Formats: sequence, C-alpha cells, structure tokens
Amino acid sequence: AAGVIQSPRHLIKEKRETATLKCYPIPRHDTVYWYQQGPGQDPQFLISFYEKMQSDKGSIPDRFSAQQFSDYHSELNMSSLELGDSALYFCASSLRDTQYFGPGTRLTVL
Amino acid sequence: GENVEQHPSTLSVQEGDSAVIKCTYSDSASNYFPWYKQELGKRPQLIIDIRSNVGEKKDQRIAVTLNKTAKHFSLHITETQPEDSAVYFCAAAWTGTASKLTFGTGTRLQVTL
Repeated sequence: AAGVIQSPRHLIKEKRETATLKCYPIPRHDTVYWYQQGPGQDPQFLISFYEKMQSDKGSIPDRFSAQQFSDYHSELNMSSLELGDSALYFCASSLRDTQYFGPGTRLTVL
Repeated sequence: GENVEQHPSTLSVQEGDSAVIKCTYSDSASNYFPWYKQELGKRPQLIIDIRSNVGEKKDQRIAVTLNKTAKHFSLHITETQPEDSAVYFCAAAWTGTASKLTFGTGTRLQVTL
C-alpha cells in the first residue's frame, strides 16, 4: 500500500538559511499535518491543511510557513534557520481521524 | 488545550511478561485515542486506536482500554517479545476535520531476554 512520502530525508543547513520540506500524502487522503520532534521528545503539532486550506495551527514559529497544493502535496518552508530548529519533521496524512506518518526529514542546522 | 500525561517514562520487562502503559487526558471533548510505536529515528507507526464509544479494543497481543469518566486509557501488551522494544506514544484528538494529535511524553519499553 502507498505510504506518505517525504523529501528530502536528510537536510543540513547553516544558521539563517532557508529550507523547504515536501510531503506527498497517501492517495485520496485530504488532510495533511506537520509535526516537529526534537531528540527524546514527543511530536509537536505545527500546522494542518484540509482540502488545501489551512485548518489548524500549533506551535509554529512565524519564520515557518506551509501550504497545500492542488495535487494535495504540502510544503513546509522554514526561513532564518536557528540551531534549535534541528529536529525530525514528520508529515502525516489522513482521510478521517487516523493519521499515517511519513518517514520524516531530519533537519540539522549548523 | 488538550494535555496528555503518560506513565511510566521507562519500562523494562522480561520476554513473555506483560507491559502496561497508562495515559490521562484533560479535554473531555477528545474522543479518539491512538497509540503509536516509534523505533529510533523512524516514523511513529499506529499500532491500535480506540474511540470514545468503545471501552476496550484488542488486536492479537495488544489491547487498549478507555475510561471516559476518569479520562484515562491504557495500552496492554501481552507475551512481550524483543521486537516490542521501542518508544510508545499515546495521543488524544477529537474526531473532527484535520484534528491534531496531542501526544503523551512517551514510554521507552525494553524487553529483555
């Protein structure tokens, strides 16, 4: 069965640079979620989209923005990167309430 | 907002024993409670979930119970195996459109031979 696809899987950036993370949901899933997971932490909700419209916003810095496109894929844009942004970023998709997670993007900010 | 507490933070059991992880939630509007297993550096994988109209659900060696009145739910793993070793997260959400998951802080389960 098709799963959530995320790219890139690993990303290394310098402080103050920008990064773009991509997420391709499971086919026919209409909702995408982004979560951030620091080392030894639980995943923290950032933002979600339903039918290409922003649905909910969590603890997402103003330096981050996201959108969902007409083909339902989503991109998380991160600017002015800080050391503290180093984390695993997961995308999840759902058709109803069950969320399936992608493999994540490991972002390292040097 | 929702707050989910999870205990214990670490749990060590011998192979074949049972493991129990407990969570409490604060928002009475939450009605969907999934459990995820996460191996180091990997994605959270859904292992079982329960909705508030059900008190218990079982899938082979895994079971989840829900007490809506007390706002707590538990994961039970029987006949544990070394491959059960991982971090387990409980979560709570309400079954609305694009409802976010609020996670517990995780339980590191170690199954020893």
